[in-house]
Amino acid sequence: QKEVEQNSGPLSVPEGAIASLNCTYSDRGSQSFFWYRQYSGKSPELIMSIYSNGDKEDGRFTAQLNKASQYVSLLIRDSQPSDSATYLCAVGTGANSKLTFGKGITLSVRP
Amino acid sequence: DARVTQTPRHKVTEMGQEVTMRCQPILGHNTVFWYRQTMMQGLELLAYFRNRAPLDDSGMPKDRFSAEMPDATLATLKIQPSEPRDSAVYFCASGRDSLFTDFGAGTRLSVL
Repeated sequence: QKEVEQNSGPLSVPEGAIASLNCTYSDRGSQSFFWYRQYSGKSPELIMSIYSNGDKEDGRFTAQLNKASQYVSLLIRDSQPSDSATYLCAVGTGANSKLTFGKGITLSVRP
Repeated sequence: DARVTQTPRHKVTEMGQEVTMRCQPILGHNTVFWYRQTMMQGLELLAYFRNRAPLDDSGMPKDRFSAEMPDATLATLKIQPSEPRDSAVYFCASGRDSLFTDFGAGTRLSVL
């Protein structure tokens, strides 16, 4: 059973729109949550982290966490073609904060 | 622009050969992860170390894979013997207590 699910995708939005990326996780003891961006042929890079319920904003990115629903999301405002990439959700669980990744959602921003 | 250093970047080998991948974590990072990425499975955790001690290698096929950290500046992942199904991109990542993990550029392995 996959512990981190990213079921929707691929996602295509027009330039300037809001892109909404969703992720659910199975372990209620999970304590840390991350979003990584991965361009084709490149390594994942961390773009957002969130640890408590609510919203966290960083520029055009907003991470939202709802531990009761075991749900974490990433909103990208004013989407740009350069945002086109695969977005990976990662969840940290346990005393050693073992990171488990979802399979990713591919986002395409149309000019 | 990855700062975790992985070598080699590309490796093509024949089935049955030994493959060794190396990783130099970021100075000061005490946690090192090995991940494998394929289109079908995504990023799978193979093993990870904290302060050079192995914490979890449950994702690693024990019969052919081994991971070690001989010192704080070097982590290795070995496959012996290699099989075509091992073809993937292998990423090393390092972090401070697993937070803000930085990934290396990866080793793209092709086993023929």
